Amino acid sequence: DIQMTQSPSSLSASVGDRVTITCRASQSISYFLNWYQHKPGKAPKLLIYSTSSLQSGAPSRFSGSGSGTDFTLTITGLQAEDFATYYCQQSYTTPRPTFGGGTKVEIK
Amino acid sequence: EGQLLESGGGLVQPGGSLRLSCAASGFTFDSSAMSWVRQAPGKGLEWVSSIKSSGESTYYAESVNGRFNISRDNSKNTLFLQMNSLRAEDTATYYCAKAKDVIYLYGLDVWGQGTTVTVSS
Repeated sequence: DIQMTQSPSSLSASVGDRVTITCRASQSISYFLNWYQHKPGKAPKLLIYSTSSLQSGAPSRFSGSGSGTDFTLTITGLQAEDFATYYCQQSYTTPRPTFGGGTKVEIK
Repeated sequence: EGQLLESGGGLVQPGGSLRLSCAASGFTFDSSAMSWVRQAPGKGLEWVSSIKSSGESTYYAESVNGRFNISRDNSKNTLFLQMNSLRAEDTATYYCAKAKDVIYLYGLDVWGQGTTVTVSS
């Protein structure tokens, strides 16, 4: 099984900050990496698919990069509505994906 | 964009059964691959099961294989998850989700709000 490790598990940031979240796969997953945003009591939202493609409706301040085993989600200019938990998900082993453990972004 | 609405969650004793439903609207359900994903209290997201658009192929996480059964009724735009031999570790909020593409490569782009399953005596 491919393990997905996110870091950090949580972080504190202020509105306007640039935030970077890392996701590492236990083996190469090419570019088959997706990112989600999840707020308590809400449905998760797909933000980025295939490493760097912005999902329709997702704000352009979200961007993704990487390949192979190391991937990054960047939020440029953090907004109040961005405080949430973010998950990476590999789809290399489709149709049996694996999620990372999550990164909680909190207000400093 | 589409909407998904789960139902059927509740409190069940260990060893019991529960059937979750997910009603879809706003997209072509019978052309869409679908999945169930769960989140245990205080934990992250965990993929549970997936089914192809026609229902001919199904897939399960090892933790539920042999106990859960995913199915769909394309005539009623509804996805199901039959859960048998439930354990305390199955306690979670269960989300249904639509695959962005037919082979799940590009993530899950429509999600429901979730339904909560509690397994406890």
